[in-house]
Amino acid sequence: DSGVTQTPKHLITATGQRVTLRCSPRSGDLSVYWYQQSLDQGLQFLIQYYNGEERAKGNILERFSAQQFPDLHSELNLSSLELGDSALYFCASSVSGRTYGYTFGSGTRLTVV
Amino acid sequence: TQLLEQSPQFLSIQEGENLTVYCNSSSVFSSLQWYRQEPGEGPVLLVTVVTGGEVKKLKRLTFQFGDARKDSSLHITAAQPGDTGLYLCAGAGAAGNKLTFGGGTRVLVKP
Repeated sequence: DSGVTQTPKHLITATGQRVTLRCSPRSGDLSVYWYQQSLDQGLQFLIQYYNGEERAKGNILERFSAQQFPDLHSELNLSSLELGDSALYFCASSVSGRTYGYTFGSGTRLTVV
Repeated sequence: TQLLEQSPQFLSIQEGENLTVYCNSSSVFSSLQWYRQEPGEGPVLLVTVVTGGEVKKLKRLTFQFGDARKDSSLHITAAQPGDTGLYLCAGAGAAGNKLTFGGGTRVLVKP
């Protein structure tokens, strides 16, 4: 157990739907990062939150949004889902806004049918 | 945009052999990290190198950061089946927050 908890582990949904992925960072970590991993694109950075505020943005689609709550857990919202959004979504955390190493969760496997 | 290229993409060796994985970029990184990922799990941090020319050893694994902080290598001595997995390098930019990941090297060590 890495200490980073992601739920759900698997999600199957239809095109056009909206889903929410949840992440609880390791105790004491203030930064949360979201990554998307697909076979052809590898691990792609989506967004970072630090202590409740957005810190950095990557290749995140406009249909996707995220937030970090006062208790530091984070949610990634994916809407108007397309087949191409099927992927593994990972959350990672680190102590500060600057990382010398992430702790990753086990991921959420999203399948859009 | 910072890019990291890993080579080879796939490596299959016999138990007891040595292997080296390379991670190259034209960009300078403030730190470089190596992770190993197993199927169905998230990547697990192996090491972070920060100083150009730095060498770190973790049992049979040796990590090196290039002098110019643009490249790195991972060398495994006397590989074992337990070393099987996807090895990922990742570089942190000047802000030191988000990581750019390489495409990964899939290593298979056959008994």
